Amino acid sequence: DAGVIQSPRHEVTEMGQEVTLRCKPISGHNSLFWYRQTMMRGLELLIYFNNNVPIDDSGMPEDRFSAKMPNASFSTLKIQPSEPRDSAVYFCASSLYGGRVIKETQYFGPGTRLLVL
Amino acid sequence: RKEVEQDPGPFNVPEGATVAFNCTYSNSASQSFFWYRQDCRKEPKLLMSVYSSGNEDGRFTAQLNRASQYISLLIRDSKLSDSATYLCVVNPSGSGGYQKVTFGTGTKLQVIP
Repeated sequence: DAGVIQSPRHEVTEMGQEVTLRCKPISGHNSLFWYRQTMMRGLELLIYFNNNVPIDDSGMPEDRFSAKMPNASFSTLKIQPSEPRDSAVYFCASSLYGGRVIKETQYFGPGTRLLVL
Repeated sequence: RKEVEQDPGPFNVPEGATVAFNCTYSNSASQSFFWYRQDCRKEPKLLMSVYSSGNEDGRFTAQLNRASQYISLLIRDSKLSDSATYLCVVNPSGSGGYQKVTFGTGTKLQVIP
């Protein structure tokens, strides 16, 4: 069974350019998360979707960041315009949420390594 | 105070040694706790959940101390393959019931031959 799929795996871009990261969650999972990981701040939750609906976007750094989930099998995280401080590893994770405080596992994709010059 | 705090390490231990990590959390109402493992340049993966009664999986033992608000991970008979960063994860209750977990910044373990 395929795990969480992310693309691209690596992205190098110049400041000011638009960056789009893509994620395909595990089939059947109803929760999707976007995280950002840096050495300084560790793993930070950016946004959480449940049943394709954004539930919590309080972690989105600023208006330059936006995320969509048009259907259960696809999500995008867009940065426009990108800045050097956006350089990080961006992970997408999915899980099956059962409607209560749970112990279900979050399954992470391999991540996208973003470098903004 | 951070929601979840871990000693970043690194913990350098010889093969066969026993090593323990602690992780403290600030929200006393937290209900779910996990340890994830992250290998270098890889994604985090669930190592084990932490239950109130504690749990053991082979060489790994996880414990929860609610009174002192910390969880621990004990690794016995360390193997070279245990070298990784171990992330403490806490799900605070009262967050609308969904899985807004908080990750610690991780403790790096290096097992030395």
